[in-house]
Amino acid sequence: EVQLVESGGGLVQPGRSLRLSCAASGFTFDDYAMHWVRQTPGKGLEWVSSINWNNGNIGYVDSVKGRFTISRDNAKNSLYLQMNSLRAEDTALYYCARERVTAMVMDSWGQGTLVTVSS
Amino acid sequence: DIVMTQSPDSLAVSLGERATINCKSSQTVLYSSNNKNYLAWYQQKPGQPPKLLIYWASTRESGVPDRFSGSGSGTDFTLTISSLQAEDVAVYFCQQYYNTPVTFGQGTKLEIK
Repeated sequence: EVQLVESGGGLVQPGRSLRLSCAASGFTFDDYAMHWVRQTPGKGLEWVSSINWNNGNIGYVDSVKGRFTISRDNAKNSLYLQMNSLRAEDTALYYCARERVTAMVMDSWGQGTLVTVSS
Repeated sequence: DIVMTQSPDSLAVSLGERATINCKSSQTVLYSSNNKNYLAWYQQKPGQPPKLLIYWASTRESGVPDRFSGSGSGTDFTLTISSLQAEDVAVYFCQQYYNTPVTFGQGTKLEIK
């Protein structure tokens, strides 16, 4: 069974940093591209970042470019999101998601980790 | 960025009746070289993450009941639930993956009438 478990969320002050992790199991992790998607009541679902199997193809939504860094460790079956210079508008539930082979859709999702940016 | 707009924002349908949700993209998501529409649908139940239902506009994900179907091409798409069941109460999202950033519709909340 595919499992994705996010961790690392919490309450953080504006301008500070946070690192999210996603532990994957139940599939061959390095066969898949992975994504971070966030959700807020106001903005709905927003794709944040993605990374292919070997770190060779990485993308970010414009609003996080230069502040967030996605990475993965295939030996540890783990995905990460380093979030720096956090802003109030980064407050959201952050999901880790697996990309379906042959289509850039997310076929498995974790339960999410909540990030709250507030002073 | 491609803007995805769903209609209606909310919908109430009687059990056993048909539910129809629409999604419109601000530009085509039909890739002419392979004639595929880069459009997916997700279902999200309260307290759960989204679940992939349909991709390539009309291909059901494994395990998705056949009462769910997707149609449309270019910029206009529809998700149809042929006979609404109680377990279908959820928010439904469309997503384009024609280009990055991939973008989602705002969601349509489906309830029982």
